[in-house]
Parts: sequence; structure tokens; C-alpha cells
Amino acid sequence: DAGVIQSPRHEVTEMGQEVTLRCKPISGHDYLFWYRQTMMRGLELLIYFNNNVPIDDSGMPEDRFSAKMPNASFSTLKIQPSEPRDSAVYFCASSGGMNTEAFFGQGTRLTVV
Amino acid sequence: DAKTTQPPSMDCAEGRAANLPCNHSTISGNEYVYWYRQIHSQGPQYIIHGLKNNETNEMASLIITEDRKSSTLILPHATLRDTAVYYCIVRVAISGGSYIPTFGRGTSLIVHP
Repeated sequence: DAGVIQSPRHEVTEMGQEVTLRCKPISGHDYLFWYRQTMMRGLELLIYFNNNVPIDDSGMPEDRFSAKMPNASFSTLKIQPSEPRDSAVYFCASSGGMNTEAFFGQGTRLTVV
Repeated sequence: DAKTTQPPSMDCAEGRAANLPCNHSTISGNEYVYWYRQIHSQGPQYIIHGLKNNETNEMASLIITEDRKSSTLILPHATLRDTAVYYCIVRVAISGGSYIPTFGRGTSLIVHP
């Protein structure tokens, strides 16, 4: 398996634009997590899914953020409209199956100007 | 979940053992200790986990005190590539053995020549 795959790796967008981050979890994993990392706040859990169903989205900062998991192999995190304070590295992780540990993707570095 | 306390930074000479401490004095009997690390610009990487017994794998050793109130991650022969932020996490397993990784600030380990 190629691991957790995130795209794009880097995204630069203007304030007010819609941004969509994508994640492909490891096949067979039934948990998927979205995190945001900034210098100020460290690694924050935004939302997680179990079997494609959102379980806890209490970490989602505002209504501008939304996440979906239409099937077991794909998830998106959308920010609409984006703001400069959304600039961060966004990580996706998955776990489950034979693994109790979480495997992380390489992250998407988002810059909103 | 039990709160963890780690020193913010440590340094170690290349080739020497790096011993990273973690205090988790409020840990419950069914909570596991997990260690991850994050090398600059990469996603967190699982290292090792344990419940009450000491554990060893190809990356590191985990020593958990008898009262389980603290643990130490040992990198037996640190290399420059071990420079990273190391996170100690205490989590209750959720269904199927998975859990939700929640990260503190971790310990920034610098391995110097």
C-alpha cells in the first residue's frame, strides 16, 4: 500500500476562494482523521469518520469548514470561503483493520493570501 | 483521557542513547501509552506503544514504570535523522482496537554530531 495519500501537497489561494483538500486512506482502514497544524496551536483534531460516517466534528473551527467521506477510499475537507487565518498544514490519517496505530499522510500546506 | 507532560526540548549526541520521558500520572488501567514522532515537514509517524510491559521494536524501546504513571522512550543509538518532535499519547482503545490520536506539544529532540 502507498500509505495515506493527500493532494495537493501545496495550495496557495486568495482570501474568499473555496479550497478543497483530498485524502485517500489506507485500504481496509475504517477510521479517517483530519488534523490541522499551526505553530500557535500545534496539531488539532478537526473531525474523524468511522466507516465513512462522521463521528465527531467538534474540532471543526467554523461553519466555513466541512468534511465528507463519500466512500471508504476518499475524503475531502472543504473551506469556503477561505481566510488568511486558515493557513496551516492539514493532515489526514487513517487507522483500523490490523493496525491500532494511525498512519498519516504527508499533509497539505495551505496558504491563504 | 489521561494528560501527558513532556519536556519541551532535549538534545543528544549522535550515537548515544536518547531517553525521552513522559509523565502520565492520571493514567487509567485500560489506557495505552503511544509514541509518535514528527520529522520536519512530514506527517507524524508511529513509533511504539504499550500497556504495562516494556516493549521493543526496530525503532525504539518503551519502558513503563510499574505504577504506569510515567514512561520513557529510548532511542538506543540516536542518529541525526532522529531529530524530530516526539509525542507521548495516552488513549483508551475504541472499538476494534483503534483510538483517536490527540497530540500535545511533544518534546523537540535535537541530535547533534
